[in-house]
Amino acid sequence: DTAVSQTPKYLVTQMGNDKSIKCEQNLGHDTMYWYKQDSKKFLKIMFSYNNKELIINETVPNRFSPKSPDKAHLNLHINSLELGDSAVYFCASSQEIGSGRAVNEQFFGPGTRLTVL
Amino acid sequence: EDKVVQSPLSLVVHEGDTVTLNCSYEVTNFRSLLWYKQEKKAPTFLFMLTSSGIEKKSGRLSSILDKKELSSILNITATQTGDSAIYLCAGSLFGGAGNMLTFGGGTRLMVKP
Repeated sequence: DTAVSQTPKYLVTQMGNDKSIKCEQNLGHDTMYWYKQDSKKFLKIMFSYNNKELIINETVPNRFSPKSPDKAHLNLHINSLELGDSAVYFCASSQEIGSGRAVNEQFFGPGTRLTVL
Repeated sequence: EDKVVQSPLSLVVHEGDTVTLNCSYEVTNFRSLLWYKQEKKAPTFLFMLTSSGIEKKSGRLSSILDKKELSSILNITATQTGDSAIYLCAGSLFGGAGNMLTFGGGTRLMVKP
């Protein structure tokens, strides 16, 4: 029944490693997002993606790359992890095109807590 | 740069009190303002406000948008301990793939019994 799911829930890794976080939504939404929430609980958009367009927040390092194998998945791949990448990463989804309902409402996944040692 | 600012940063009240949380925004191509509640995990949606002056209500929670003042308030009446959470507001804008939300820093509300 989970609408937006993420795996893993927790990820502990060493600096310099490459890791991926997976996200799946079963809501039939056409747009997915990745957010980063830092230790001060500040939530910041990283990417917005639908099947037509990827929008990247310009502050996101190019070590971060979203990969979407299909409409229901948007995975986050991170190269050469750094200490400052430690945070909680949230995936979200929304229906943006012609839904007739609250098109701005985004549904969030449970988050992945990434710790870089 | 788009910016959303919330106040107060944190608030401690007792059960039964009424609280008002504030959110101001500077978002280009503004479309709507959203409120979320975040407890231990994912933010959960509360309200979306698009039109100025129209109050949205859900139980003890209500919210209103003032486009002239570029602000919104979230009211919680007769607070309960279960209302303890971080309340986030976010501005959304037209254009681009989907809807990029710019979040404020949140207001941490603690309701004591």
